[in-house]
Parts: sequence; structure tokens; C-alpha cells
Amino acid sequence: DGGITQSPKYLFRKEGQNVTLSCEQNLNHDAMYWYRQDPGQGLRLIYYSQIVNDFQKGDIAEGYSVSREKKESFPLTVTSAQKNPTAFYLCASRNGVNTEAFFGQGTRLTVV
Amino acid sequence: KQEVTQIPAALSVPEGENLVLNCSFTDSAIYNLQWFRQDPGKGLTSLLLIQSSQREQTSGRLNASLDKSSGRSTLYIAASQPGDSATYLCAPLNLGRAGTALIFGKGTTLSVSS
Repeated sequence: DGGITQSPKYLFRKEGQNVTLSCEQNLNHDAMYWYRQDPGQGLRLIYYSQIVNDFQKGDIAEGYSVSREKKESFPLTVTSAQKNPTAFYLCASRNGVNTEAFFGQGTRLTVV
Repeated sequence: KQEVTQIPAALSVPEGENLVLNCSFTDSAIYNLQWFRQDPGKGLTSLLLIQSSQREQTSGRLNASLDKSSGRSTLYIAASQPGDSATYLCAPLNLGRAGTALIFGKGTTLSVSS
């Protein structure tokens, strides 16, 4: 099936740890995105990548890092510098401005 | 910077009602606008994509309209069903500071009772 796969579905992080969220797509989309969703708030853009080997900061990039070494993969690392990482993280992709964006099923990250 | 507002924030209706969800955006220079639904704890599912040159787009019981000049879009749901219960999000696309990333409002949470 074509789509976007996020893993794991649930992730627990201890204080001071870095964790990496996986996002893989087999839609052959050029652009990929990471969003964060908190209760009662809209989705906020963390990072985006328009093409392989290129990515840009979104509105709330502090404490996060990404890489885009392959077209199908856009992993997000939540570093220890992110002071409030507990949230629902969503990955999306699209191919061109005139087409739909598609989302993965999300990863819920909790700090323990 | 694009800002998106969705009204109402929450809506409860009995099954069978027709309803309208509203979306307004401050920057009318959009390429298109996409409507999504989100079930609790899940990702976003695309419902409709309406291009800036279009006035309406339909899919089954859903109809989205777009008035780009006034910065408004509406999602009309006909003959609502309990399975329509979800949060509905609209997202206009502007090109510029965030590439092709969508900007979202907080959504409208719909509850349809049987």
C-alpha cells in the first residue's frame, strides 16, 4: 500500500535523552514535513524539506533536528534541548503545489 | 504571516442534520485549500482539495466552497452521521516563508449523536 508510515506509535523519553521519530513514505513525494500537535492547539510546523539533502526550519524548530538523506525518509530527532517535548508528532508529504498533502498516523511522545 | 480561524470550535448535532463548518484566513494569496478530518489519536485524513481557481469541490456528502478574495472557505456536510464525528481542519497553502507547508487552524470538533 502507498502511504506514509510513522514509527513508533508511542515513544517514551527520559529527561536528557535524545530520541528519533521515523517517517517513511513510498509515494515518491519530493516534499516532507514535521508538525507538532498539542491539546487545544493547531498543528505547528517544526521542519520541512522540499527536496533530498535540503531542509528548512519551521516555526518551532528549537530543540529538534532532521535529516533528508533519502527521498523516502525524513527522521526527526527530539534533542535534550527541547524542554517540553511531550506532544503528538505528525509527518506529512506532498508532490507539487497542486496536489494533496498526506499525513502519517502520528507518534505520541511522552517524557517520563 | 497566514493565520487561520475556524468557527465554531465545537459543534454537537443530531444525526441527519446538514451543517456548515467555517474557515477564514488572513492572507488571500493562496494556491489552494485542503480540508482534513482527524479522529482522536490519529493522523489527518484528506477530505477535499480546492484550488484557488475553483469555487466549489464535492466528494460524496461533502461540499467545500472557497471565496479567496474574502479569505473564507466553508465545508458543508449533508445528512450528518455518527461516523462523521471528528475534528475538521482547514489548511490554506501559501508559497513563501514555509515552502509548500500548510498552515492550520485549531479545527472544529464535531459530535453527531444517533
